[in-house]
Amino acid sequence: QVLLQESGPGLVKPSQTLSLTCTVSGASMSSGTHYWSWIRQPAGKGLEWIGRIYTNENTKYNPSLKSRVTIFVDSSKNQFSLNLGSVTAADTAVYYCARLEVLSPRALYMDVWGKGTTVTVSS
Amino acid sequence: QSVLTQPPSVSGAPGQRVTISCTGSSSNIGASYDVHWYQQLPGTAPKLLIYGNTNRPSGVPDRFSGSKSGTSASLAITGLQAEDEADYYCQSYDTSLSGLLFGGGTRLTVL
Repeated sequence: QVLLQESGPGLVKPSQTLSLTCTVSGASMSSGTHYWSWIRQPAGKGLEWIGRIYTNENTKYNPSLKSRVTIFVDSSKNQFSLNLGSVTAADTAVYYCARLEVLSPRALYMDVWGKGTTVTVSS
Repeated sequence: QSVLTQPPSVSGAPGQRVTISCTGSSSNIGASYDVHWYQQLPGTAPKLLIYGNTNRPSGVPDRFSGSKSGTSASLAITGLQAEDEADYYCQSYDTSLSGLLFGGGTRLTVL
């Protein structure tokens, strides 16, 4: 059974960098069989895709966040991480990590999700 | 335009059938990208409900079904149960974004 667990600070000050890590268990990230994603959800609102990673040289980000986002992987630790810079109150949300299944070039979806972690941006 | 449009809410009585629509455009669903559906129960993470337009992961009851036509897709739930009360999201890939796109979500209320 593949499990994902987010971790990181629950409170970040405005203008600072939000840093979260997702630890994967039950599967080896170094097998190269899946992509990995971050998604967020502000309270009472819908889901927003942040970005995905295959290797540290193969990443893709939501254009609306691209200038502030970095996703990177540490296969030796079976973890991937999210950095979001210059945060504001608008970045307050539940952040989810998920495994991205690529069934075909036209079928990409998240089949395993972490439970999510709440991050509040406030001074 | 990079948007997947869902109705904000739908409702139905126990035992009834409800459908949730997801309308896209030529840069996503209409470009032959598959649609996937997620169920989010209150206070929990989203869960994959339908993948590849019509496929159910193991453990998802056959009361849930998906379809796709043109630039739209639909999720149908038959034999509505109280435990189905949740938010439902569609998701596809968008060529303009070069990334994944979610619908705004639909809240299902079981009357």
